[in-house]
Amino acid sequence: DGGITQSPKYLFRKEGQNVTLSCEQNLNHDAMYWYRQDPGQGLRLIYYSQIVNDFQKGDIAEGYSVSREKKESFPLTVTSAQKNPTAFYLCASSTQVASGSYEQYFGPGTRLTVT
Amino acid sequence: AQTVTQSQPEMSVQEAETVTLSCTYDTSESNYYLFWYKQPPSRQMILVIRQEAYKQQNATENRFSVNFQKAAKSFSLKISDSQLGDTAMYFCAFSDVLKFYFGSGTKLNVKP
Repeated sequence: DGGITQSPKYLFRKEGQNVTLSCEQNLNHDAMYWYRQDPGQGLRLIYYSQIVNDFQKGDIAEGYSVSREKKESFPLTVTSAQKNPTAFYLCASSTQVASGSYEQYFGPGTRLTVT
Repeated sequence: AQTVTQSQPEMSVQEAETVTLSCTYDTSESNYYLFWYKQPPSRQMILVIRQEAYKQQNATENRFSVNFQKAAKSFSLKISDSQLGDTAMYFCAFSDVLKFYFGSGTKLNVKP
């Protein structure tokens, strides 16, 4: 089955540690995204990548880093510089459909708790 | 900059009745796309319906339909014959092709 996997579902870290969230897709989509979701808020874009070895900052990139060495993989590192890292993180990929729009497909998310 | 506004943080509807969720957006783009996503308690984001801005006809997917008013920059979602499984957060989203912008969501409770 094609889809997007994120692991683990729950992640716990101590303050001051970097942590990497995994995102893998087998949909053969070119574009991939990372979003952060906080209670009462919508999804906010952290980073996105249109092609391998290229990525752009989103609206809240500070304290985060990404890499895109393979088409299928877009890991997100939450660094110790991120002041409030506890949140729900969603990975997505997108493809162009017949109408010309890009449709996003989402992974199941990772809940990160930093104490 | 693109913005998406959902002014109803929470709504309730009785099972089998109809409910409308509101969404407005702001953009200077002429070519764009609008979406409604559903996020049930599992937190999996699910695409409900899509509307291309260049189409005048409102999109429909089974019990879900939209009222797209381009001049007013309004994009509401109507859910007919509400079911208990419709209970979820609903997010309106705008796309200028590659980037997506989301509203803050409306929590919909369907009551038996």
